[in-house]
Amino acid sequence: NAGVTQTPKFQVLKTGQSMTLQCAQDMNHNSMYWYRQDPGMGLRLIYYSASEGTTDKGEVPNGYNVSRLNKREFSLRLESAAPSQTSVYFCASSEVQTGTLGFSEQYFGPGTRLTVT
Amino acid sequence: LAKTTQPISMDSYEGQEVNITCSHNNIATNDYITWYQQFPSQGPRFIIQGYKTKVTNEVASLFIPADRKSSTLSLPRVSLSDTAVYYCLVDDSGGYQKVTFGTGTKLQVIP
Repeated sequence: NAGVTQTPKFQVLKTGQSMTLQCAQDMNHNSMYWYRQDPGMGLRLIYYSASEGTTDKGEVPNGYNVSRLNKREFSLRLESAAPSQTSVYFCASSEVQTGTLGFSEQYFGPGTRLTVT
Repeated sequence: LAKTTQPISMDSYEGQEVNITCSHNNIATNDYITWYQQFPSQGPRFIIQGYKTKVTNEVASLFIPADRKSSTLSLPRVSLSDTAVYYCLVDDSGGYQKVTFGTGTKLQVIP
């Protein structure tokens, strides 16, 4: 199993350009997440998808859109990149049973390092 | 979401036991306590989770007092490879995992 994979690993954009970050998981997980991590900071949730066909905003959704393409894939799109979006982006997935209490382990991808100039 | 407070950084010599304490005064009845580890240039990795008392696995132990307002992650006999950032999370999320990672504790293991 590859776990959670992300493409690309690195990307440099000019201000105003658009791009899509791809994420896929092969663990048959229901829930998927996108986080950003700025230097020296913790992770902040951008968007999440509790299950296939649903998406919802996290802590810092402005400037981003997401698509849960199918159960395996969850993409993050920057429509018009800004220097403030320079960050490392992590995708994660977890298996959650609706109505189950407790925290299910999240599995993270290796990250995409994005620089916007 | 219950807020957590943990030290920004800690240093330890190789071979010592390291205890990282997390404060979560507003923890709710249904909240679980979870710890993640993050190495440089990698995504976080789950270490351990608990609800009360003590939990132990092959990597660490988690001590939770009866009032559950704090928890302590214990790493036995650390090595240089344990140098990482450790995050304490508290949440139940009602079945989906909309949680908050704080800034974590940066552990530096010294030879």
